[in-house]
Amino acid sequence: GQSLEQPSEVTAVEGAIVQINCTYQTSGFYGLSWYQQHDGGAPTFLSYNALDGLEETGRFSSFLSRSDSYGYLLLQELQMKDSASYFCAVSPGNTGKLIFGQGTTLQVKP
Amino acid sequence: GAVVSQHPSWVICKSGTSVKIECRSLDFQATTMFWYRQFPKQSLMLMATSNEGSKATYEQGVEKDKFLINHASLTLSTLTVTSAHPEDSSFYICSARDIGLLNEQFFGPGTRLTVL
Repeated sequence: GQSLEQPSEVTAVEGAIVQINCTYQTSGFYGLSWYQQHDGGAPTFLSYNALDGLEETGRFSSFLSRSDSYGYLLLQELQMKDSASYFCAVSPGNTGKLIFGQGTTLQVKP
Repeated sequence: GAVVSQHPSWVICKSGTSVKIECRSLDFQATTMFWYRQFPKQSLMLMATSNEGSKATYEQGVEKDKFLINHASLTLSTLTVTSAHPEDSSFYICSARDIGLLNEQFFGPGTRLTVL
């Protein structure tokens, strides 16, 4: 079977830093992606990790530890517009197929 | 950036009718497209992988005779929900992978289907 675990909700204030964790159990692993989705909108790509370590893209960073089947998304200098759902997704192979976690709803407060 | 469009953006239909949803990659070629379904406040569930020029690969539990997928060109995939019922009401989202950007998928804006 395949499963991904991430917290259902996170609340933080503007300007803060928040980390959203994701643990996974999959039959195959090619990489871990993170997507952002605002209410009623399409998911948008944030980052991708195939190898262990930290990937930084502006205010967002993503980390992967393949030996621990664990990754996280780090959001810095939070802004109100960051309020959205964040999904981790595993690529079990090189086909492009994605298996999504249940999503973490981030609420940023003033 | 790469753009994926979906049409229609929303549709309301009567129970028993069929609905076709189009997914197009506007500025890139996609040999593979994916169809997802998302219920309110839930995650995206992969329904099938659509391969240009060949049959779609369906995920376990997804009825291939109910959700017909056709990928006739490198820029167009269609999903037809046949004999729709109220439980098929959902948000249907497609995504496409650019041949040159294999680690990133681009999602369409989604189609909200309501079956009365």
